[in-house]
Amino acid sequence: AQSVSQHNHHVILSEAASLELGCNYSYGGTVNLFWYVQYPGQHLQLLLKYFSGDPLVKGIKGFEAEFIKSKFSFNLRKPSVQWSDTAEYFCAVIPRGSARQLTFGSGTQLTVLP
Amino acid sequence: EPEVTQTPSHQVTQMGQEVILRCVPISNHLYFYWYRQILGQKVEFLVSFYNNEISEKSEIFDDQFSVERPDGSNFTLKIRSTKLEDSAMYFCASSVGGNTEAFFGQGTRLTVV
Repeated sequence: AQSVSQHNHHVILSEAASLELGCNYSYGGTVNLFWYVQYPGQHLQLLLKYFSGDPLVKGIKGFEAEFIKSKFSFNLRKPSVQWSDTAEYFCAVIPRGSARQLTFGSGTQLTVLP
Repeated sequence: EPEVTQTPSHQVTQMGQEVILRCVPISNHLYFYWYRQILGQKVEFLVSFYNNEISEKSEIFDDQFSVERPDGSNFTLKIRSTKLEDSAMYFCASSVGGNTEAFFGQGTRLTVV
């Protein structure tokens, strides 16, 4: 079975700081990768996804993520965070080519100080 | 923009009672899911549903749980006899394909007292 690790449980940054949230997964085969965001009191929203092709993917709100196959990683980045980015961020994977469920990481709470 | 809708947003129930959580997936989606998130813990998969049957379920999804698609639009999760540990946020999700991105509803916060 696949698993996802997010090593940072809580990250606190000042506005305009750069962000990188780590995500590593373990699975023997090929996966599709996702980052979801959950703003306070709201539902999970898709930030970006990687299925194939260019390993650097761009998502909404200036976020990007890089898939590094050799490291089983899919880290999320943003060059300059805003107060409105305060939220919980979840990395998730699903084995490609099968109707399987998403496996989520434990989430990283990002707090951006104004 | 189409979205997954869930009702109610908050449900309080007594231990041992049955609850039904309701979801309306996005209309052209074929795969439906229930996940839950106990406070402070990660989002956990419960069950996936495709072609009017369960395609996969987790260990959490025991005999107390059931899902149904009673008509062309609703997708329900029933907990037959709730326990205190069933208190969680329950998310419904749907997707076009089996391993494409899932779109999530806003969740139903279930509190068992």
